[in-house]
Amino acid sequence: AQKVTQTQTSISVVEKTTVTMDCVYETRDSSYFLFWYKQTASGEIVFLIRQDSYKKENATVGHYSLNFQKPKSSIGLIITATQIEDSAVYFCAMREGGNYAQGLTFGLGTRVSVFP
Amino acid sequence: GALVYQYPRRTICKSGTSMRMECQAVGFQATSVAWYRQSPQKTFELIALSTVNSAIKYEQNFTQEKFPISHPNLSFSSMTVLNAYLEDRGLYLCGARDWGTYAEQFFGPGTRLTVL
Repeated sequence: AQKVTQTQTSISVVEKTTVTMDCVYETRDSSYFLFWYKQTASGEIVFLIRQDSYKKENATVGHYSLNFQKPKSSIGLIITATQIEDSAVYFCAMREGGNYAQGLTFGLGTRVSVFP
Repeated sequence: GALVYQYPRRTICKSGTSMRMECQAVGFQATSVAWYRQSPQKTFELIALSTVNSAIKYEQNFTQEKFPISHPNLSFSSMTVLNAYLEDRGLYLCGARDWGTYAEQFFGPGTRLTVL
């Protein structure tokens, strides 16, 4: 069974600095997709970035980047030059790729608070 | 862009009654639609995954008898919560995906269910 674990409950950072969040996953599939979403204060869930298991390069989108360490089953999210608006709960999620008809398995989330 | 709408955004129902929520995908084809529930203090629980023209797959602890789902075309899905009780309260999220285009799911803003 697939499982996603985020051990950090909350992180506080000063604006314009870098924040790193951890996520480890478990899967028996050799092909899978990893995602990061954020949930804003209003409850909106926004897709941020994804990593395909077969890709060696770390994905980067805007000021979001991933630290994909496949041997450790780890997919960390890095946010550089944080802004107040980055305050949200960040969820790591996984979908096993062998079966298209799969939902996502989510971690418990990490609350990030960005202060001026 | 890919957008997902959900209605209603909030609803209150009396214990033992039922309520229906809708999900609409705009800008892409919702080949599959996953319904999740986010309960207070919890992460996202997958209720079921629906694929157009295919059977709906319910996760353990969720049944068709309690959460009937309709997914008649590539832009619309609905789910009903029958005989709602206190434990059914939470934020119900619809995550839609276009198998041919995106690996990621796009989420609607959710329907927040309060049960009195």
